[in-house]
Amino acid sequence: EAGVVQSPRYKIIEKKQPVAFWCNPISGHNTLYWYLQNLGQGPELLIRYENEEAVDDSQLPKDRFSAERLKGVDSTLKIQPAELGDSAVYLCASRKGGSSYNEQFFGPGTRLTVL
Amino acid sequence: AQRVTQPEKLLSVFKGAPVELKCNYSYSGSPELFWYVQYSRQRLQLLLRHISRESIKGFTADLNKGETSFHLKKPFAQEEDSAMYYCALGGSQGNLIFGKGTKLSVKP
Repeated sequence: EAGVVQSPRYKIIEKKQPVAFWCNPISGHNTLYWYLQNLGQGPELLIRYENEEAVDDSQLPKDRFSAERLKGVDSTLKIQPAELGDSAVYLCASRKGGSSYNEQFFGPGTRLTVL
Repeated sequence: AQRVTQPEKLLSVFKGAPVELKCNYSYSGSPELFWYVQYSRQRLQLLLRHISRESIKGFTADLNKGETSFHLKKPFAQEEDSAMYYCALGGSQGNLIFGKGTKLSVKP
């Protein structure tokens, strides 16, 4: 079984430029998460999807961040415009719907560097 | 407030020594707790969860509701255990709340 796939793995951009990250969850996983991981910190939730619906986006900075999961499978996270402080690792995770537990499966992450 | 605290940023032990990575949580209700591990150049992966009460790679963790702790233990550390370890709390909204992580370094 393929795990959670993310691309690109690394991205270097200049500040004020737009950037997008893509995630393909494990097949059959209804729940998809985007996390932000700053250096020396644990992952922090940005947004959670149940199928195509964003059910928790309270931590997403909506002035510059946006996300979509149009068909309830793949998801894209976008930043426009990027700022220096956005340099971090962006993690995608998925979870099987109906699971009794919160076990989540993580992708390798996208390391963003904003210059 | 829901919170996870891992007081040690770095824990360094010698091979064969016992290891204990501390985790304390704050949560009202019945907590769901996990330990995730990230080996060098690998993705974050589940190590164990309190509900299954299992031992994985020699690691165990017991939920102590009185002390609100979920410490990770292993009696004899191995070099391959060197990694980042994150304690995580299953939040009421279906997400995970992570601690800041502890880097375990096992020296030969």
